[in-house]
Amino acid sequence: KNQVEQSPQSLIILEGKNCTLQCNYTVSPFSNLRWYKQDTGRGPVSLTIMTFSENTKSNGRYTATLDADTKQSSLHITASQLSDSASYICVVSLAGGGFKTIFGAGTRLFVKA
Amino acid sequence: DGGITQSPKYLFRKEGQNVTLSCEQNLNHDAMYWYRQDPGQGLRLIYYSQIVNDFQKGDIAEGYSVSREKKESFPLTVTSAQKNPTAFYLCASSIRPADTNTEAFFGQGTRLTVV
Repeated sequence: KNQVEQSPQSLIILEGKNCTLQCNYTVSPFSNLRWYKQDTGRGPVSLTIMTFSENTKSNGRYTATLDADTKQSSLHITASQLSDSASYICVVSLAGGGFKTIFGAGTRLFVKA
Repeated sequence: DGGITQSPKYLFRKEGQNVTLSCEQNLNHDAMYWYRQDPGQGLRLIYYSQIVNDFQKGDIAEGYSVSREKKESFPLTVTSAQKNPTAFYLCASSIRPADTNTEAFFGQGTRLTVV
């Protein structure tokens, strides 16, 4: 069964600290993996997209990694800011056409002053 | 400004009524999508359209209908046949179908509540 599991479900960190969010997937055949940031009551905004051959991609203070062998991805946030408080969603797309994209349930991050 | 616009932001519906959620984009994107988001769950695909006058059912299409008469517009109708319509609805678009390596842009969502 194609699934995307994210951990932890929620996380509280102090402003200025780093954190890492995890995404494990059992999706096959794999096309690409994306990370989105979703503020409460808003639509998701793309952070990164990685294909099979890419194992790291950065977007400012956000760095995503991908291990296609173990089917794991992580999103590392450096020097967190209050504005990083949001849900972070891992999304995996299947190859082969027919449009199949699996969304994880997200990790809710709270950054405290 | 270029972007994707959903309206209204909040919508209340009485049981037994149909309601239509609007989604408009001026990004000249071919593909458009409707998702439903429920607490603690990942987004689930309702319908998608890869080109004007064509659309396909997603994973949870029952109780919903769509049209794609114009490239810019992809309205979603939540019918009375949808037994649990209270949710956050998200519209998205991409220049090509999202199973290729293209970015999908999301609207700000419509929160539908059945009263």
